[in-house]
Amino acid sequence: NAGVTQTPKFQVLKTGQSMTLQCAQDMNHNSMYWYRQDPGMGLRLIYYSASEGTTDKGEVPNGYNVSRLNKREFSLRLESAAPSQTSVYFCASSDGQGANEQFFGPGTRLTVL
Amino acid sequence: QKEVEQNSGPLSVPEGAIASLNCTYSDRGSQSFFWYRQYSGKSPELIMSIYSNGDKEDGRFTAQLNKASQYVSLLIRDSQPSDSATYLCAVKGVPSNTGKLIFGQGTTLQVKP
Repeated sequence: NAGVTQTPKFQVLKTGQSMTLQCAQDMNHNSMYWYRQDPGMGLRLIYYSASEGTTDKGEVPNGYNVSRLNKREFSLRLESAAPSQTSVYFCASSDGQGANEQFFGPGTRLTVL
Repeated sequence: QKEVEQNSGPLSVPEGAIASLNCTYSDRGSQSFFWYRQYSGKSPELIMSIYSNGDKEDGRFTAQLNKASQYVSLLIRDSQPSDSATYLCAVKGVPSNTGKLIFGQGTTLQVKP
């Protein structure tokens, strides 16, 4: 099992460009999450999907949109990238039941110039 | 404001010593607690979870939970240089049906040979 996979690993954008970060999990998990991690700010939740067909805002949703394409896949879209969105983005998944341990993908390092 | 607080460190210990990492949380209703290890440039990796008051041991790691004091800790015995990383404390938020975790900012541990 690959666990949680993310593409791309690295990306450089110019201000105003758009892109989609892809995430997939093969653990049959119900819930998926997108975080960003910045120095001194810790992990901050952008959006999450508690189950297939539902999405909800997290702590820092502005400037982002998400799509839960199916149970396996959860994508994060930046419509008009800004330098403030330079960060490392992590996708995570969990079974959404009980203790709810979350498992993380390898991350995408995004730079917006 | 629901919070999880950790001392950012760095915490420096000699090889072979016990490293003690601490975390406090504000939501008295929290039920599930996790410790993640994050090496520089890598994604968070789940190393311990604890749900009941008391101690839980797994190899060189011991997690301790005191819900009355809203305090959770991680002890690493016989610390090795390979334990040098940032340790993130995470708490399952209330209400719990969303599966969301609240992360502390992490404590950086340095184990010196």
